[in-house]
Amino acid sequence: EPEVTQTPSHQVTQMGQEVILRCVPISNHLYFYWYRQILGQKVEFLVSFYNNEISEKSEIFDDQFSVERPDGSNFTLKIRSTKLEDSAMYFCASSKTSGRAAYNEQFFGPGTRLTVL
Amino acid sequence: GQNIDQPTEMTATEGAIVQINCTYQTSGFNGLFWYQQHAGEAPTFLSYNVLDGLEEKGRFSSFLSRSKGYSYLLLKELQMKDSASYLCAVRDYRDDKIIFGKGTRLHILP
Repeated sequence: EPEVTQTPSHQVTQMGQEVILRCVPISNHLYFYWYRQILGQKVEFLVSFYNNEISEKSEIFDDQFSVERPDGSNFTLKIRSTKLEDSAMYFCASSKTSGRAAYNEQFFGPGTRLTVL
Repeated sequence: GQNIDQPTEMTATEGAIVQINCTYQTSGFNGLFWYQQHAGEAPTFLSYNVLDGLEEKGRFSSFLSRSKGYSYLLLKELQMKDSASYLCAVRDYRDDKIIFGKGTRLHILP
């Protein structure tokens, strides 16, 4: 069964460094998402992406964050200058249809645990 | 804005039935999801309701009342592997995102 994959599974970085988290969505999906979950807290929406542009972003997704689909398979989240509070699990998700369609099941990847020291 | 409330923790016995409630407030409702999340893992999809009523899928059922802003997830014949957090999530029709509740941690006792 096709699945969303993410690399690395765990990333440790120093405060102020740039990190790139990578995702490979399910191949016939068109809509891509990033979520984060700080330890012990709820899953929070960061950004949605369709047709090579951001379709929606939350207030968390500030200028330090960017997303890119550099080729036909990868979807990346970049944090330019990491802060301690960026430490969290980052989940990528993909779906066939958008949130505005009648139904869209978002399939989540296993997550990347980011630790900022 | 959106607000989602669900109990923080619940405990039930193996083989029993448990109902996890979720209430929500949103300005433009367009669907409610239930996800299961085991510790340290990604959320996995369980159910989706957009119309009032009960959706049944094996041991799991989900109910929605839009007028009351209320949903529940019903788990039957509980198994130890059902010990997990259950996340209620709502989609606003204007947005292309899903807003998650804080989740209900379900403990199953033998």
